[in-house]
Amino acid sequence: GQQLNQSPQSMFIQEGEDVSMNCTSSSIFNTWLWYKQEPGEGPVLLIALYKAGELTSNGRLTAQFGITRKDSFLNISASIPSDVGIYFCAGQVTSGTYKYIFGTGTRLKVLA
Amino acid sequence: DAGVIQSPRHEVTEMGQEVTLRCKPISGHNSLFWYRQTMMRGLELLIYFNNNVPIDDSGMPEDRFSAKMPNASFSTLKIQPSEPRDSAVYFCASSYYPDTQYFGPGTRLTVL
Repeated sequence: GQQLNQSPQSMFIQEGEDVSMNCTSSSIFNTWLWYKQEPGEGPVLLIALYKAGELTSNGRLTAQFGITRKDSFLNISASIPSDVGIYFCAGQVTSGTYKYIFGTGTRLKVLA
Repeated sequence: DAGVIQSPRHEVTEMGQEVTLRCKPISGHNSLFWYRQTMMRGLELLIYFNNNVPIDDSGMPEDRFSAKMPNASFSTLKIQPSEPRDSAVYFCASSYYPDTQYFGPGTRLTVL
């Protein structure tokens, strides 16, 4: 079946550093979403991407929809301690449906 | 506005017992989703409803799992009988548009 592989699985960075993570698949997706999950809570939507090549920012976060439609990346600039959490990508299985497949997650820890 | 409400937040039960998880979606949302999150399998979509009608239940693991949405403001996910391998965090999410799902805080289920 369709799978989304995220890398890295986890990362430890110093406060102030930039972070980059990506999501790849052998399948084509129509929409990419990026979520953040903090301990004991549900995922929260950060960014949505709708077109191949699209680059979208949300504050210090920037995400891109890969040209091949099989990948996406998320960058966080000037990380701060509250960026700690698990970041998930999600791909829309079929255009117009509500069904998304979630990636394996990247666990981010920020050292002050 | 209240977010998605799930109850209970934690549930500990013994193998063979019936478990019922509850969800109240955000008012005005027309779609509701049940997800399961485990370390091994990540975040998986179990079933989703649109306008109270089940649209895709292909993620429901087996007949022991059932979900209902009797009205726009309430849904249940039932496991009968429960097994230790059902231990996971179960999330409910709701949305109006396909790309903006709002997750609840989750129910952590432990089956002994």
